[in-house]
Amino acid sequence: AQSVAQPEDQVNVAEGNPLTVKCTYSVSGNPYLFWYVQYPNRGLQFLLKYITGDNLVKGSYGFEAEFNKSQTSFHLKKPSALVSDSALYFCAVRDVNRDDKIIFGKGTRLHILP
Amino acid sequence: ETGVTQSPTHLIKTRGQQVTLRCSSQSGHNTVSWYQQALGQGPQFIFQYYREEENGRGNFPPRFSGLQFPNYSSELNVNALELDDSALYLCASSLAGTPYEQYFGPGTRLTVT
Repeated sequence: AQSVAQPEDQVNVAEGNPLTVKCTYSVSGNPYLFWYVQYPNRGLQFLLKYITGDNLVKGSYGFEAEFNKSQTSFHLKKPSALVSDSALYFCAVRDVNRDDKIIFGKGTRLHILP
Repeated sequence: ETGVTQSPTHLIKTRGQQVTLRCSSQSGHNTVSWYQQALGQGPQFIFQYYREEENGRGNFPPRFSGLQFPNYSSELNVNALELDDSALYLCASSLAGTPYEQYFGPGTRLTVT
């Protein structure tokens, strides 16, 4: 079965420090991987995707993600965190068994401390 | 460009009742997906509509049903509400051909008592 795992329920980072939100995946075939962000009382916003090509994917708001096939990981990163980055982050994968629908992880809450 | 809108914002229903949630797609998008997000969980795929027909369904019982209209707006209907149906219901629109880049509405918070 296709799945993603986000091992951390919450990540705390001081403003200005680099941040990493972890995601590992389990898929058959080539993985299509995504990151979404959810701000309070808002819907999810698409951040970035990996389908093929460079392992380092750049997305919105200065975020990037590194695809690592050997470690089956797709960690979200940002060189310098902002307080406004505080939100709920979801990793997601294409479900090849269900006509390419998207399966989401349970989410990681990111707190950026001023 | 008009984003995805959903109505109502909040809703309180009693167990056994029926509810209809509404979604207007982003301009130009012809595919609508519905998700259920329980507290502390990621969104769970309910179903997707393309050209007014269901185009894939998640592990939800038949009492969850939907419609898509010619203007690509959509409804989610839930019959015989159960307490576990309490959740945030998200609608997402996309273009056929780029199904992964989904644009989400703010959601409808449904509480079943």
